Amino acid sequence: EAGVTQSPTHLIKTRGQQATLRCSPISGHTSVYWYQQALGLGLQFLLWYDEGEERNRGNFPPRFSGRQFPNYSSELNVNALELEDSALYLCASRPSTDPYEQYFGPGTRLTVT
Amino acid sequence: LAKTTQPISMDSYEGQEVNITCSHNNIATNDYITWYQQFPSQGPRFIIQGYKTKVTNEVASLFIPADRKSSTLSLPRVSLSDTAVYYCLVGLSGGYQKVTFGIGTKLQVIP
Repeated sequence: EAGVTQSPTHLIKTRGQQATLRCSPISGHTSVYWYQQALGLGLQFLLWYDEGEERNRGNFPPRFSGRQFPNYSSELNVNALELEDSALYLCASRPSTDPYEQYFGPGTRLTVT
Repeated sequence: LAKTTQPISMDSYEGQEVNITCSHNNIATNDYITWYQQFPSQGPRFIIQGYKTKVTNEVASLFIPADRKSSTLSLPRVSLSDTAVYYCLVGLSGGYQKVTFGIGTKLQVIP
C-alpha cells in the first residue's frame, strides 16, 4: 500500500513570495491534515480537510490556506512568505473509520530567505 | 483538549527497557491515548493507542492506570534505531481536529 506522498521535498522561496505544497493521501483516506514543524519545536496543527471541506484550522494567519480536491489530495498555500515560515510541513491522512491513527508523509522542507 | 506533559529528553543504553511517562490530568471520558514516534526529518509514525489498563503490540506496551491521568510507554530492549522523539497525544473521540503534538520526549539510545 502506497503511503502519503508530498511534493516537493524541498522548496526555497524568498520573503513575500507564495508557496504551494501538495499532498496525496493513502488511497481510501478521506481526511487530510497539515502541520508545521519549525526547527526544535513540536508539530503545530494547521488545517484539517475532510470530504473536500475545511473542517478546522489552527492558530495561523489567513495567508495559510489550502484546499482538498475530489480525489482527496490536498494543497497548502502560503502567501506573503515570512522568514518565520521556514519549517517542515507535514501532511497526514486517516481513514474515516479510524479517528485517531494518522499516517504521515515525509514532509516538505520550506526555506524562506 | 487534554494537555499533556512529558519529559523533554531521556538517555538509555542499548538493550535496556525504556519507560516514558506522560501526564494528562484533565483527560476526558471519551479520550484515547496515542503515542507517535518521529525520526529526524520524517513524519511521525503511530506506535500504540489505548484507553485503559494495558495494551501491547509488536513494538511497545502502553500502561494506563485506573484514573487515566497518566500513561507510560514502555519500549523493551531498545536499540540505537529507537533514538527518536516520542509524542503522547490525548485526543477527542472525534479525532485530532486541532491537536498540537508538543515537543515530545527526545530519547537518545547510547551504545
